[in-house]
Amino acid sequence: NAGVTQTPKFRILKIGQSMTLQCAQDMNHNYMYWYRQDPGMGLKLIYYSVGAGITDKGEVPNGYNVSRSTTEDFPLRLELAAPSQTSVYFCASSPRGTHEVNYGYTFGSGTRLTVV
Amino acid sequence: QKEVEQDPGPLSVPEGAIVSLNCTYSNSAFQYFMWYRQYSRKGPELLMYTYSSGNKEDGRFTAQVDKSSKYISLFIRDSQPSDSATYLCAMSGDFGNEKLTFGTGTRLTIIP
Repeated sequence: NAGVTQTPKFRILKIGQSMTLQCAQDMNHNYMYWYRQDPGMGLKLIYYSVGAGITDKGEVPNGYNVSRSTTEDFPLRLELAAPSQTSVYFCASSPRGTHEVNYGYTFGSGTRLTVV
Repeated sequence: QKEVEQDPGPLSVPEGAIVSLNCTYSNSAFQYFMWYRQYSRKGPELLMYTYSSGNKEDGRFTAQVDKSSKYISLFIRDSQPSDSATYLCAMSGDFGNEKLTFGTGTRLTIIP
């Protein structure tokens, strides 16, 4: 089982450049998420999706865009990269939980992005 | 005030000790509580899940939730060097896994 696959694992961008972080899951999960993790700051939600064609902003959406054309894929687009976007980015997916059973999020292994 | 507060540590304990990790929160709507473990340069993985108040035990791990005090805990018994990781609490008020709010994580080192 591949789970959640993120590419690339590492990337260095120059200020003003753009890039797309790829995320794919093969578990048929409806819910998908993008988080960023900065030292001492925990995980901050950027965008999330509850199904194909549906996306919504999280806590820190500025400077990012997403799309969800299929259940499997949830790419994150950075336009006009800034040093403040230097971070580790995690994609995650989950099925809908219940009170009794909750499988939580399955996270990818992360993309380490540096903007210089 | 942050919605979820967690002592970042670092916390170092000898092998075999009991470890206590804690989070406090301010949003009374939270009712789904989780603990994730994150090894260095890896994504977090779910360790424990608890709905509403109470205790839950899984092997050497026990999760406790006290909604009246807005306080959750994770206990690790007979700690092992392989338990060395960052532990993040997470919680949500949304039924069905939407939008977890995470603590900042506590970095734990078990000394052999």
